[in-house]
Amino acid sequence: GQQVMQIPQYQHVQEGEDFTTYCNSSTTLSNIQWYKQRPGGHPVFLIQLVKSGEVKKQKRLTFQFGEAKKNSSLHITATQTTDVGTYFCAGLFISNFGNEKLTFGTGTRLTIIP
Amino acid sequence: DAMVIQNPRYQVTQFGKPVTLSCSQTLNHNVMYWYQQKSSQAPKLLFHYYDKDFNNEADTPDNFQSRRPNTSFCFLDIRSPGLGDAAMYLCATSRDITATNEKLFFGSGTQLSVL
Repeated sequence: GQQVMQIPQYQHVQEGEDFTTYCNSSTTLSNIQWYKQRPGGHPVFLIQLVKSGEVKKQKRLTFQFGEAKKNSSLHITATQTTDVGTYFCAGLFISNFGNEKLTFGTGTRLTIIP
Repeated sequence: DAMVIQNPRYQVTQFGKPVTLSCSQTLNHNVMYWYQQKSSQAPKLLFHYYDKDFNNEADTPDNFQSRRPNTSFCFLDIRSPGLGDAAMYLCATSRDITATNEKLFFGSGTQLSVL
């Protein structure tokens, strides 16, 4: 089945440092979504990327979708303690039967050292 | 505020004792999903309802069933919980199916413990 891998699995950064998580799929994605899950919380939608090579920004967060639509990244500039959590990408696959399935990546857990 | 509500927040059951988890939504969304999330893992889709149509994932054990009596409510029934079923169960909704690029709205989850 389709798999979406994320690296790194864990990332510890000093407050103020940058952070990047990478998402990779073995097959082409229709689109990709990013979610943030705070410790003890539930996933919250951040953004969706649809077009090849698309780049979107939300304040300190920059999201990119690869040209081949098989990979994506999330970059946070100057991390703050409020950025703590696990970041999941979720890729939408189009199956051979024409149906669609959103598959979550393995997640990257970000911890901030104050 | 419109939202996805899950009850209870924590549920303890005994090995083999049936348990039902509840989810309600005030978003009037067509699609409701149940995900299982184990510690430090990604949410895993168990099944979803598109309106009244039930869609089971191929690898979801028969032990897991679901009911959607109306648009607002959806239930997850675990017929004979095993120790391996201890997890966070997340309910989510979307206005339409994900093919139309709809985002998911998650409830706060029910943490299930099996003794």
